[in-house]
This record gives sequence, structure tokens and C-alpha cells, in this order.
Amino acid sequence: EVQLVESGGGLVQPGRSLKLSCLASGFTFSNYGMNWIRQAPGKGLEWVASISSSSSYIYYADTVKGRFTISRDNAKNTLYLQMTSLRSEDTALYYCAGTTTFDYWGQGVMVTVSS
Amino acid sequence: DIVMTQAPLSVSVTPGESASISCRSSKSLLHSNGITYVYWYLQKPGKSPQLLIYRMSNLASGVPDRFSGSGSETDFTLKISRVEAEDVGIYYCGQLLENPLTFGSGTKLEIK
Repeated sequence: EVQLVESGGGLVQPGRSLKLSCLASGFTFSNYGMNWIRQAPGKGLEWVASISSSSSYIYYADTVKGRFTISRDNAKNTLYLQMTSLRSEDTALYYCAGTTTFDYWGQGVMVTVSS
Repeated sequence: DIVMTQAPLSVSVTPGESASISCRSSKSLLHSNGITYVYWYLQKPGKSPQLLIYRMSNLASGVPDRFSGSGSETDFTLKISRVEAEDVGIYYCGQLLENPLTFGSGTKLEIK
């Protein structure tokens, strides 16, 4: 069974940093591109970032470019999202989504940016 | 950026009847390889989204064949035949042709 388990969320003040993790199991993690997608409270889905299987290709939404960094450790089956200079508008449920077509989704981890 | 526009905002359906959800893209999603990169996802209440349809008309694994996808280069339809109570939730179309990947704003399906 495929599982994606996010962690690392919480309440953080504006301007601070936070690092999310997503532990994958049940599929060959190193073979697939991975993504972060977020959903602000009561809102729709927003793609945040994608990374290819070998980390050769990385893409970001303009809203997070220069502030967020996506990375992965294939030996640990783990995807990361380093978030810096956080803003109130980054408040959302962050989903880890597996494969380039979002076949697999985690349960999400909440990030709240507030003073 | 490619804008994905969904309609209607919400739909209320009697169990056993059919429902259709439309999605329009601001740019053709037909790649030169012949694949149309539109996808459909369902987010059930309190749950994570799940993939329903990939590449416009292909049913994802485990999805009932009551669901079907169709369309052209810019206009797409998700049809749900014989709606059941378990189909309630918000349906999103998304384009995976180019970055930034974008989603429609969602269509909420309710049961009458």
C-alpha cells in the first residue's frame, strides 16, 4: 500500500522558516517525480513545487520562488520542502503528492503563519 | 499561466442520475505527442484529493467506470453516471502540460 506521510508543520511567525518532510512507502520512490501542493483554508488546490526522480529538474510556483526549496533523499525515501521568509498567505494545508500526475497524496500537514 | 475555468460552481444530483462538470483551459492542452494533459481529481469531505481521470479520458486505478472524461483541446467534461452518495465532494480539473501546473477552482457535488 502506498503511503505518503507529511510532518514538520505548525504555527510560525511571519518571516521565520519551517521545513516539511514527506516519508514515502509502498512504491519505488526513487523512480518518480514528487510534488508539493497546498490548500489554503476553504480554498482550492495550488501547485507549489515539483522535483524529478533524480533531482535534475526542479520547478516552483512564482508565489514561492526564491523562498521555498524542494529537495529529496532517495536513500531515505523522503521529500522535503524548506520554507523561508514565510508570509501569512503561505498559511495552508501542504500535501505531498507522488508521481508527475499526482497519483498519490499524503494526508497533508498544516502550516499556519501568524504573529 | 494556463487558466482552468470550471462550471458550475456546485451541482446537486439525485442518486442514480447523471452529472456533468465542465472545465475550460485558456490554452490548448493537446501536446504534439497526441496526449491531452488534463486531469480530474476528487476531494471527498475531510480527505486528500484523489486522481480520477488522467490524460483527459483514462480512468485511474480503482475508479468506478461510472466516471468518464472527454473533451477537445480546450474544453473538457467529467461525467458521472448513476451518481452515488459516495461521490460527494469537490471535483477539480488540472492541467499538467506546462509549469506552473494549475487547477480549476473546483465544483462541489452534493446529493439531493
